[in-house]
Amino acid sequence: GAVVSQHPSRVICKSGTSVKIECRSLDFQATTMFWYRQFPKQSLMLMATSNEGSKATYEQGVEKDKFLINHASLTLSTLTVTSAHPEDSSFYICSATGWRAGNTIYFGEGSWLTVV
Amino acid sequence: ILNVEQSPQSLHVQEGDSTNFTCSFPSSNFYALHWYRWETAKSPEALFVMTLNGDEKKKGRISATLNTKEGYSYLYIKGSQPEDSATYLCAFKARQAGTALIFGKGTTLSVSS
Repeated sequence: GAVVSQHPSRVICKSGTSVKIECRSLDFQATTMFWYRQFPKQSLMLMATSNEGSKATYEQGVEKDKFLINHASLTLSTLTVTSAHPEDSSFYICSATGWRAGNTIYFGEGSWLTVV
Repeated sequence: ILNVEQSPQSLHVQEGDSTNFTCSFPSSNFYALHWYRWETAKSPEALFVMTLNGDEKKKGRISATLNTKEGYSYLYIKGSQPEDSATYLCAFKARQAGTALIFGKGTTLSVSS
């Protein structure tokens, strides 16, 4: 069964609105969660790393005010795309690791965001 | 800039064929190399986490080798089956604490029956 669950799997939103994507670890306490974005035919690109209870660390070129990440508990992290624009349309996927996960990093199913 | 390269980009084989693909990664500052299998509409599934030079790991018909000195890993699939069709991702983790995985673009395998 799924170890990390991501929701929604697909979302369409209007330009200028905000959309929230949730990432939940089901079987372990996720002390660290990672958010990736993937454009067509490209690699998964790391957007930010979040440690539970701390502010997320964003990769260069990722706007922290646009992509709000909250990791308030050991089982849930959220990514909010604020004031979404069509160029934000992409595939977003989270991953998580923690003490019980060892070296393994588990992924959610990913979320397709389309901004119209 | 850390770069992880995978080749080939895609591969089409017949059922029963054995196949292999390559992952190249930085040879310095190495901590671990991860292999994932990613089927459409599913989560990437962890196959192997490799940490030691010379490591060889096996899971059923799938195996992987690691050479950290020259910065490459091979993934082998013996007797490919249609259910092996997926994208295979490798990801490099550097030694610094807290660094996330750096992914290659993946190799997409298609197995025909």
